[in-house]
Amino acid sequence: ETGVTQTPRHLVMGMTNKKSLKCEQHLGHNAMYWYKQSAKKPLELMFVYNFKEQTENNSVPSRFSPECPNSSHLFLHLHTLQPEDSALYLCASSKNRDYGYTFGSGTRLTVV
Amino acid sequence: SQQGEEDPQALSIQEGENATMNCSYKTSINNLQWYRQNSGRGLVHLILIRSNEREKHSGRLRVTLDTSKKSSSLLITASRAADTASYFCATETEYGNKLVFGAGTILRVKS
Repeated sequence: ETGVTQTPRHLVMGMTNKKSLKCEQHLGHNAMYWYKQSAKKPLELMFVYNFKEQTENNSVPSRFSPECPNSSHLFLHLHTLQPEDSALYLCASSKNRDYGYTFGSGTRLTVV
Repeated sequence: SQQGEEDPQALSIQEGENATMNCSYKTSINNLQWYRQNSGRGLVHLILIRSNEREKHSGRLRVTLDTSKKSSSLLITASRAADTASYFCATETEYGNKLVFGAGTILRVKS
C-alpha cells in the first residue's frame, strides 16, 4: 500500500447509473488529484484540489463531479457516463510543490 | 496538454544491460520527475530533479536534466527482470501545482 487508498478497485456501470469513486490519504498531504489513464494515451489530469479548494478543472465534462470534503478525502461522482469514459482512474496526493506524488492503485472503470 | 514526450516508446533488453529512456518537454519547468507503473497499477515516484540541477542518482537510477535542450534522461543500470514496467516522465511548470505526464516508455527486461 502506498498510503493512498482508492475504492473500489474495479467498477462496471451502465450509462444511466450513478456511482462514486473514493480516494483517501493520511499522509498529511495538502493537495489531491484525479487523473484518467486510457489505453494508448498519456495520463490526463482531471482535477486538482489544494487545501480542499479546487484549483484546476482541466475541461472535464460535467458528468464527472469531484468533491473534496477535507484534505484527506477526495471523491469523483459519476453519472450518465459514456463507453469512452472507460479507463483507469488514478488518485494522487502531494505535500506541496517540488515534491513527488503518491498514487493510489486506481479504479478500473468499465462503462457498458 | 501533453508536456513530456518519452523516447523510445518501447525498449527490450537483456537482464544485466543498461536501459536509457529520454524525455523532452516544451515549456519552462520547476522540476521534472520520473515514475514507474507496473501493468494496470498506480504510479510509483522514482526520482525528482529540480530545474537548477543537472544530475541526480538514486540506487541504480541516474537522471540527467538539460534545460537548454528541454530534455531529460533516465538510466537504469544492471537491469533486472523486475524492472519490467512502463516509465513516465512528468513536469511541474514554474506556475501552478500540477504534473503533466508524457506517454511513457514500456521497458521489458528479459531474463
